[in-house]
Amino acid sequence: AIRMTQSPSSLSASTGDRVTITCRASQGISSYLAWYQQKPGKAPKLLIYAASTLQSGVPSRFSGSGSGTDFTLTISCLQSEDFATYYCQQYYSYPPVTFGQGTKVEIK
Amino acid sequence: QLQLQESGPGLVKPSETLSLTCTVSGGSISSSSYYWGWIRQPPGKGLEWIGSIYYSGSTYYNPSLKSRVTISVDTSKNQFSLKLSSVTAADTAVYYCARTSITIFGVVIAPFDYWGQGTLVTVSS
Repeated sequence: AIRMTQSPSSLSASTGDRVTITCRASQGISSYLAWYQQKPGKAPKLLIYAASTLQSGVPSRFSGSGSGTDFTLTISCLQSEDFATYYCQQYYSYPPVTFGQGTKVEIK
Repeated sequence: QLQLQESGPGLVKPSETLSLTCTVSGGSISSSSYYWGWIRQPPGKGLEWIGSIYYSGSTYYNPSLKSRVTISVDTSKNQFSLKLSSVTAADTAVYYCARTSITIFGVVIAPFDYWGQGTLVTVSS
């Protein structure tokens, strides 16, 4: 199975900050990568797929980049509603599809 | 608006079989455009894909769980189901059902664009 490693595991940031989360795959996955946002007690929400395509309805302050093994999720101007845990997911090689361990974005 | 709703016992005894059903409303499970999946999340931990099914009954399973998992579909009820046998405390988790759109994403079993709210299943005697 392809292992997905996110960094950092957690970060503290303030409203208005630019935040970048990194996801690294244990082998090349082309652009078959998705990002999800999860708030406590809620189901994950798809933000980005195909590494950089914004899901319908997701604010443009979210962006994704990368291909191969290294990917980033950027929140350009952090809003209060963005404090959550973020997961990457590869779907290049399956089964299984695999997720990163998550990055928790907390209020500084 | 598509909605998915998980249902089933919240408490299962060790060594028994966990059974959950996902009811799909606002859309047809029989569409050739979608795969339907199960994902779980132990308390305080990350996400683990369990498996996915097509309306025809074609399935993909996580190899780590394959020997214990069965996913089935009932198109007449617009439902799909999960059975996980020989459960232990390690199977305690919130279980989610979710949808993948083949036509939007061009890939069979991920990513997941619609999710149920999740249901907590605790394995305990």
